Amino acid sequence: DSGVTQTPKHLITATGQRVTLRCSPRSGDLSVYWYQQSLDQGLQFLIQYYNGEERAKGNILERFSAQQFPDLHSELNLSSLELGDSALYFCASSVGGGVITGELFFGEGSRLTVL
Amino acid sequence: AQSVTQLGSHVSVSEGALVLLRCNYSSSVPPYLFWYVQYPNQGLQLLLKYTSAATLVKGINGFEAEFKKSETSFHLTKPSAHMSDAAEYFCAVKETSYDKVIFGPGTSLSVIP
Repeated sequence: DSGVTQTPKHLITATGQRVTLRCSPRSGDLSVYWYQQSLDQGLQFLIQYYNGEERAKGNILERFSAQQFPDLHSELNLSSLELGDSALYFCASSVGGGVITGELFFGEGSRLTVL
Repeated sequence: AQSVTQLGSHVSVSEGALVLLRCNYSSSVPPYLFWYVQYPNQGLQLLLKYTSAATLVKGINGFEAEFKKSETSFHLTKPSAHMSDAAEYFCAVKETSYDKVIFGPGTSLSVIP
C-alpha cells in the first residue's frame, strides 16, 4: 500500500460528459502529480502541484483541469470527454519542497472508459 | 529539456538468466534517475533511485542500476531472473526538486520458464 488513495477505481461514461477524479496523497507529502497511461501514449505527465500551487505542466489538454486543495487532496477534472480520453489516470505524491531526490508514490489509478 | 528512452519495448529472458533493461536520458543538468516497476493492474512502485551518492545503485528484489554519465545511461540489471519479475519497467528522470518527473516509454519484461 503506497498510501496514495484514488477514487473512483473504475468509471464508465459517455462522450461529451464530464468526470472528476480524486486523489489523496500520502500523509506528509506536499506534491501531487497526475499522469495518463494509455497503450499508445505510454505514461504521460499531465500536471504537478506543490502545496496548492501549480508547479509544472505537461501534455494536459485544455479540456482537462486540476487543482490541489488546502487539505492537499487533488482533483483532476476531465470535460467534453472523447473516446481517446479512455485511459488509466494515475495520481502520485512526493514529499516535494527541498527534497530533490524524493521519489513518487503512486496510487492504483482510476480507469476511465468513454463510450 | 528532459527525455528518457528505453531500448526495447519488450524483453524476454529465461528464468535464471541475466536481466538487462536499457535506459538513456537527456538532461541539461545532472539528473536524478529512477526505475519503477508496474505489475498488472497496479500502480508503479519504486525499484531504485540514483541520487549522486554512488554510481552503482542497489534496489529491491535484487535489481541494481549503474549511472554512467559519459554514456548518459542508467541501465537496470538483475543477475538471475525470476518468474515474479515479469512486469512493466519504467525509467524516469527529474532535474530539480520542483521539476516534473518524466518517464520513459517502458519495457515489458517476460520471464520464460
